[in-house]
Amino acid sequence: GNSVTQMEGPVTLSEEAFLTINCTYTATGYPSLFWYVQYPGEGLQLLLKATKADDKGSNKGFEATYRKETTSFHLEKGSVQVSDSAVYFCALSDRGSQGNLIFGKGTKLSVKP
Amino acid sequence: NAGVTQTPKFQVLKTGQSMTLQCAQDMNHEYMSWYRQDPGMGLRLIHYSVGAGITDQGEVPNGYNVSRSTTEDFPLRLLSAAPSQTSVYFCASSYSSTGETGNTIYFGEGSWLTVV
Repeated sequence: GNSVTQMEGPVTLSEEAFLTINCTYTATGYPSLFWYVQYPGEGLQLLLKATKADDKGSNKGFEATYRKETTSFHLEKGSVQVSDSAVYFCALSDRGSQGNLIFGKGTKLSVKP
Repeated sequence: NAGVTQTPKFQVLKTGQSMTLQCAQDMNHEYMSWYRQDPGMGLRLIHYSVGAGITDQGEVPNGYNVSRSTTEDFPLRLLSAAPSQTSVYFCASSYSSTGETGNTIYFGEGSWLTVV
């Protein structure tokens, strides 16, 4: 079945550090891939997405590239801010999942000033 | 823009009580779903609906009931609450009900439920 594996947290970085959160997936078809962010006490917001191989999703300085050869969708940001502290979820959907999202377990990021 | 609205935001229940979590969307989305979020588990699908009158089970449906009488509303019922149902619940919706990939799924702000 389909699944998403993302790196365990928590991740603690200093402000302006480089961020990578690894995400790999298993899917039978050609899924779409998503990163969602959850700020403390809030719901989930779509951060970025990619719908086919080699697509790059980007938003708010975050980027992720859909790599079919390595079945990966790693999240990166060149210079994190304190306001980026949140839980980040990698997810996929495909026709087999009827549009439902399959989530990774989430990675908590804390950015220190 | 209201988007996806969930109520209540916080609720404490006693074991054995029943309650309904409300979810409404104003985007005319066909597809709606309920997830629960537990520490270290990510989000798991409880039930979903691809249109009015059509519902189906997700990964963790036991102890929950849903119905979809209108396009806008998708309530989640806890029939007899148990401590294992202590969780954060999220309602979600999206435009397509055909399973097309790439559709953005919008989430409500969550409902924090504690069963004692």
